[in-house]
Amino acid sequence: GAGVSQTPSNKVTEKGKYVELRCDPISGHTALYWYRQSLGQGPEFLIYFQGTGAADDSGLPNDRFFAVRPEGSVSTLKIQRTERGDSAVYLCASSFYRGSATFGSGTRLTVV
Amino acid sequence: AQTVTQSQPEMSVQEAETVTLSCTYDTSESDYYLFWYKQPPSRQMILVIRQEAYKQQNATENRFSVNFQKAAKSFSLKISDSQLGDAAMYFCACAGGTSYGKLTFGQGTILTVHP
Repeated sequence: GAGVSQTPSNKVTEKGKYVELRCDPISGHTALYWYRQSLGQGPEFLIYFQGTGAADDSGLPNDRFFAVRPEGSVSTLKIQRTERGDSAVYLCASSFYRGSATFGSGTRLTVV
Repeated sequence: AQTVTQSQPEMSVQEAETVTLSCTYDTSESDYYLFWYKQPPSRQMILVIRQEAYKQQNATENRFSVNFQKAAKSFSLKISDSQLGDAAMYFCACAGGTSYGKLTFGQGTILTVHP
């Protein structure tokens, strides 16, 4: 596609529930990144894929967070047993290898 | 590892005037890139300008330019002839090593443009 697409745009879930956030990168971009942005803060790195494999998952806060990219294109960020502290905007970005990242518009997750 | 600091939470400028946003950084990488991203209310991070650390010449993109002081680890953004559409949150960011999309962001500066 023309840009990075993230769905849903907004998600409200109850504490303890499981959620999946989807990212469609720009066609041909081999690298894909997930970030989390809390209110009034800069984005924080979560995980980076090069192709299908997670090249760097050092930013995932705990084992409730998991991400996959099974075919090297679309990626899903999965959050188990959501907590109110998980409320944030989750941003996805993609790039060519060693290229600048292009971001999507994010998914605003609200845990109530 | 990188750290990025933006010491100006808010800045304002009159339309058509010039404004400079400050940023300092620290990194252990010898090869790194510096970026300024703009984030309007739509939430999408938009790349404004990029500077390769090995280049001495300051990057320029139309009305946007940087002052890159490598020894001082300073990377400021100058916006000339400010327009109402420039109003947004601006983030300074650093990426090092081989992954230039793995960014460390500063806290951001909210820029207001007055007509």
